Amino acid sequence: DAKTTQPPSMDCAEGRAANLPCNHSTISGNEYVYWYRQIHSQGPQYIIHGLKNNETNEMASLIITEDRKSSTLILPHATLRDTAVYYCVSGTDSWGKLQFGAGTQVVVTP
Amino acid sequence: SAVISQKPSRDICQRGTSLTIQCQVDSQVTMMFWYRQQPGQSLTLIATANQGSEATYESGFVIDKFPISRPNLTFSTLTVSNMSPEDSSIYLCSVRTGNYGYTFGSGTRLTVV
Repeated sequence: DAKTTQPPSMDCAEGRAANLPCNHSTISGNEYVYWYRQIHSQGPQYIIHGLKNNETNEMASLIITEDRKSSTLILPHATLRDTAVYYCVSGTDSWGKLQFGAGTQVVVTP
Repeated sequence: SAVISQKPSRDICQRGTSLTIQCQVDSQVTMMFWYRQQPGQSLTLIATANQGSEATYESGFVIDKFPISRPNLTFSTLTVSNMSPEDSSIYLCSVRTGNYGYTFGSGTRLTVV
């Protein structure tokens, strides 16, 4: 399973876009990149996932580089409620073993 | 996505005792997963539980310490046995849910004193 590397923390101004990087240079061809966030030690909340194409949903966008060695999660308009620990996670779609990175503590400030 | 109910949400236990955590899903799922999150740390997979077979444990986790039951396709339990303060963690169950990746329960916050 691929190991993911993230910056430990980042700040973002409310209303601005938050770009969260993740390195996963050892990811294999059948492993997806998932993003989750965790607020106040609640259960992780699913945000988005992708294999090699860029993805967008109502919460965020996921940009994956062509070589799949890194990706960026984009929160288009950060709000105070987006303050959380964001995890970049690798895993296959079928076997279910998710490898969590250390996470990025994101603090959104007014 | 699936809805997961975990019980208890938190507990304080004496060392040397055992605690059983329940995980109930509102739909049938093939695989259920148990994670541990130690204080200030990320999540670590303990084991994968399939209905009708023994759970598969990750390196560093053993059945005697973390026995798991999976009696049907909507329910599983994780027992933390012979607890010590080092077992103080949040324990979470998770299931794979179609297009939404994997859904997690709200977790059980365990404190061992």
